[in-house]
Amino acid sequence: ETGVTQTPRHLVMGMTNKKSLKCEQHLGHNAMYWYKQSAKKPLELMFVYNFKEQTENNSVPSRFSPECPNSSHLFLHLHTLQPEDSALYLCASRSPVSPLHFGNGTRLTVT
Amino acid sequence: TQLLEQSPQFLSIQEGENLTVYCNSSSVFSSLQWYRQEPGEGPVLLVTVVTGGEVKKLKRLTFQFGDARKDSSLHITAAQPGDTGLYLCAGEGNTNAGKSTFGDGTTLTVKP
Repeated sequence: ETGVTQTPRHLVMGMTNKKSLKCEQHLGHNAMYWYKQSAKKPLELMFVYNFKEQTENNSVPSRFSPECPNSSHLFLHLHTLQPEDSALYLCASRSPVSPLHFGNGTRLTVT
Repeated sequence: TQLLEQSPQFLSIQEGENLTVYCNSSSVFSSLQWYRQEPGEGPVLLVTVVTGGEVKKLKRLTFQFGDARKDSSLHITAAQPGDTGLYLCAGEGNTNAGKSTFGDGTTLTVKP
């Protein structure tokens, strides 16, 4: 149990589909993050939310749309994705005095 | 942009051997973390170092932060198959507070 729960663990979607990734943290953290992990590349920061407010959008294409309804929940809405978007999507949370705590990720395959 | 380079990128060794993984940058970090990630899971924090020259030990793992806080190393003594995984370093500095910069990882395989 990592304290950060991501669902689904695996997702296969076509390029015309719309799907959402969900992340929930039970650690009382105020900041939540989406990272993309692709093979042979460093973790790429996508979005950061602090106290439900988006504080970082790292030049992410608009086909990825984040939503943070409260400090414990984070979503990533996906639509008209491309095959190169296939990757492991990791959610993380932290407080000002703690390092990042990661979920186990959603393995996304775009066909 | 703060970059972290890890070496080696891949390492395959026999059980019982020692190894060292390096994490280098031209930037100064206020803190540096090491994570281990196993297949199908997210990265799990191993250690945080904050003071230049700091050495921390976690059982058979020894972590060192460079004096200038630009680099770090992870040394594993008598590696075991359970040490297999992707090792990631991440740095946080004054210019990216709250946003960690990650290295590209070292994939370690320990064969029994």
